[in-house]
Amino acid sequence: KAGVTQTPRYLIKTRGQQVTLSCSPISGHRSVSWYQQTPGQGLQFLFEYFSETQRNKGNFPGRFSGRQFSNSRSEMNVSTLELGDSALYLCASRFGPQNIQYFGAGTRLSVL
Amino acid sequence: DAKTTQPNSMESNEEEPVHLPCNHSTISGTDYIHWYRQLPSQGPEYVIHGLTSNVNNRMASLAIAEDRKSSTLILHRATLRDAAVYYCILPVYANSGGSNYKLTFGKGTLLTVNP
Repeated sequence: KAGVTQTPRYLIKTRGQQVTLSCSPISGHRSVSWYQQTPGQGLQFLFEYFSETQRNKGNFPGRFSGRQFSNSRSEMNVSTLELGDSALYLCASRFGPQNIQYFGAGTRLSVL
Repeated sequence: DAKTTQPNSMESNEEEPVHLPCNHSTISGTDYIHWYRQLPSQGPEYVIHGLTSNVNNRMASLAIAEDRKSSTLILHRATLRDAAVYYCILPVYANSGGSNYKLTFGKGTLLTVNP
């Protein structure tokens, strides 16, 4: 079975721009979560989607948004980029009662 | 959220066992204990989880204290590929159905494996 796939792997943007990141979960997984990882704050939960509905949200400003499609693929969007948004963005999918999350390799976003 | 405390770093020699401790004194009766690790330049990877009893899988063993206030991840024979940051996590369920779910990562333990 293919793992969690995130595209693109690397992105360079400038302040004020917006960006969309994509995540394809493991086949059959309906839950997709997003995390931000920075050297200063570590790994922080952004939001979780399940069956196209946002079920849980972390403490991030409204510039961070996401959506999930009927095939469980998910996108996250960051508008009006700031320098502090430079980070590794990780997507994870999970399935079943064990609630094990499977992470992708991440998208590294650099904001200049 | 129930919090966990781990040492910032640990060092081991290749082929030797490694015991990574985690304290979670505020754990509730229904909290599972999960361990993930993050190798350099990769996303986190699930290692093992448990509730009350000790658990074994192909990657590691998890020893849970009788009072559940602490646990230890055991790598039986460390290899260079085990060098990573290890996270001990008590997953949060925002409702009893478990559909609202998140992992709260601390700083973890940076494991260095010497050849």
